[in-house]
Amino acid sequence: DTEVTQTPKHLVMGMTNKKSLKCEQHMGHRAMYWYKQKAKKPPELMFVYSYEKLSINESVPSRFSPECPNSSLLNLHLHALQPEDSALYLCASTERGRVGEQFFGPGTRLTVL
Amino acid sequence: AQSVTQLDSQVPVFEEAPVELRCNYSSSVSVYLFWYVQYPNQGLQLLLKYLSGSTLVKGINGFEAEFNKSQTSFHLRKPSVHISDTAEYFCAVSEGSGGSNYKLTFGKGTLLTVNP
Repeated sequence: DTEVTQTPKHLVMGMTNKKSLKCEQHMGHRAMYWYKQKAKKPPELMFVYSYEKLSINESVPSRFSPECPNSSLLNLHLHALQPEDSALYLCASTERGRVGEQFFGPGTRLTVL
Repeated sequence: AQSVTQLDSQVPVFEEAPVELRCNYSSSVSVYLFWYVQYPNQGLQLLLKYLSGSTLVKGINGFEAEFNKSQTSFHLRKPSVHISDTAEYFCAVSEGSGGSNYKLTFGKGTLLTVNP
């Protein structure tokens, strides 16, 4: 299984809602990533988890809260988002030590009203 | 610090024509170089990578790239493109691979549009 899955595919939420994005991989990868991608832009790194511990936080606002409950799962909890947070949220994973060879999920298209 | 410059934001070509997508990088240390492709409404997929060794690397879907250290370039080429190659292509660089604090830096992307 060489797939990274993400749910949901699409999400529409109001600024007062709380929602979560989910990412799953069963490749045994111990590094997992969250990226944010705006239209016609490259992915922007948000968080990196290594062995289920947060190793990089790219100064992301606290309304985004990551969680890595086990080696296969990565969540992104969303609360009190702003319309400018609307974007494609991508999850990726890689074997530790192979940071450039990332496997990406299809993304969650988030719209904040 | 590492950075990547993709010289063309859009490249339109006709089907079966050759194509080159240009990428230049800057780094103070040895680098690892990658090309990713993103088809519409999808995530990114690794096309090919340069880690060490031969400077000409071959990837999936008939793409290849050449690492040129003196010109700090890593251009992507395909001798004959198909309509299905229409996508956004990202060049990326990493300065290291051994630890959890290494990051991938992406270029701004090149939109390749293949016309019939």
